Amino acid sequence: DGGITQSPKYLFRKEGQNVTLSCEQNLNHDAMYWYRQDPGQGLRLIYYSQIVNDFQKGDIAEGYSVSREKKESFPLTVTSAQKNPTAFYLCASSRAVSGANVLTFGAGSRLTVL
Amino acid sequence: DAKTTQPTSMDCAEGRAANLPCNHSTISGNEYVYWYRQIHSQGPQYIIHGLKNNETNEMASLIITEDRKSSTLILPHATLRDTAVYYCIVRSPPGTYKYIFGTGTRLKVLA
Repeated sequence: DGGITQSPKYLFRKEGQNVTLSCEQNLNHDAMYWYRQDPGQGLRLIYYSQIVNDFQKGDIAEGYSVSREKKESFPLTVTSAQKNPTAFYLCASSRAVSGANVLTFGAGSRLTVL
Repeated sequence: DAKTTQPTSMDCAEGRAANLPCNHSTISGNEYVYWYRQIHSQGPQYIIHGLKNNETNEMASLIITEDRKSSTLILPHATLRDTAVYYCIVRSPPGTYKYIFGTGTRLKVLA
């Protein structure tokens, strides 16, 4: 079945450590996204990528980095510069076409900084 | 930028229709309205989307006003498994990859 796989589902890290969250899709989608969700809040866009080797900052990119070396993969690194990294992280993908552009989401990764 | 406004929470009796409103008065002419739902600690699940006409699929119906400033998601026979947070989202600026998520409506289906 086609879909998006995020790993790990749960992750704990100490302050000052970088951590990388994996996102892989087999939907042949061109666009991929990373969102952050805090308790009781909606989703906020961190980064998005329309095509391989290209990505754009979203609304809250500070303290995060991404890469898009392959169409299927869009890993997110939470750096030590991110002041409050404890959150639920969601990866999504979509076809890069005009008109309706439905997002497909992964199951999410929950990061806790100790 | 466009934004959406939804009630914070709603209750619905099991077996009854759940009607979830959304205001998107600043939506651009060619942009779709999308509805998703999120069950606790899971990724959002796509429900339905529409542009101008009313839409129906196996999960729900979507009623869009003629002026496109608001829409209503209808779950015709709500079940306990429909308890979730429902998001109405639009893209803004138009034609970009930026989807605007608000805080959604927390729907509680009561037995």
